[in-house]
Amino acid sequence: EDQVTQSPEALRLQEGESSSLNCSYTVSGLRGLFWYRQDPGKGPEFLFTLYSAGEEKEKERLKATLTKKESFLHITAPKPEDSATYLCAVQATVTGANSKLTFGKGITLSVRP
Amino acid sequence: ETGVTQTPRHLVMGMTNKKSLKCEQHLGHNAMYWYKQSAKKPLELMFVYNFKEQTENNSVPSRFSPECPNSSHLFLHLHTLQPEDSALYLCASSPFDRDAYEQYFGPGTRLTVT
Repeated sequence: EDQVTQSPEALRLQEGESSSLNCSYTVSGLRGLFWYRQDPGKGPEFLFTLYSAGEEKEKERLKATLTKKESFLHITAPKPEDSATYLCAVQATVTGANSKLTFGKGITLSVRP
Repeated sequence: ETGVTQTPRHLVMGMTNKKSLKCEQHLGHNAMYWYKQSAKKPLELMFVYNFKEQTENNSVPSRFSPECPNSSHLFLHLHTLQPEDSALYLCASSPFDRDAYEQYFGPGTRLTVT
């Protein structure tokens, strides 16, 4: 069974204080790992897809990296508007029509001005 | 309208009521999904439709009944719900003809069962 564990559960940072969010996963064969951002009362917003170990992707202050067992979302010099819950999900390599994502519980990030 | 839209955004219903949630995607995707999001829990996949055909029912109680009349529209019919069904219900869509299928979510319907 595919599993995704995110840590820490919550993270409070001072504005400008860089940090990393962790996503550990077990999957029979990885088709893709996804990062989403979710603001309170809204649906998840897609950020990145990573396909293979060693891959990195960046968007503004966010950088996602991938190894064979985990992914990190690095936040450089965060701002208060980066406060949100960050979700990690994996999709296994399967044949046929199944495109199920397995999600972690999320990491709630608060950035203080 | 762009992206994935859901109506209503908020819904309060009694345990004996019947209501429906609506989802529409404007992205030209061929797969649509219903998820349930409860506090402190991961998103739970409920149903998957590919090209209007249901391909997954994740052991969802029969009081939830999905309908997909075409690749752009998805409904979730609700009847005889329980208080523990109160949650945020999210609709998502994705392309079907790529190597990895990132899913795009709607804003959700906040459901409260009284």
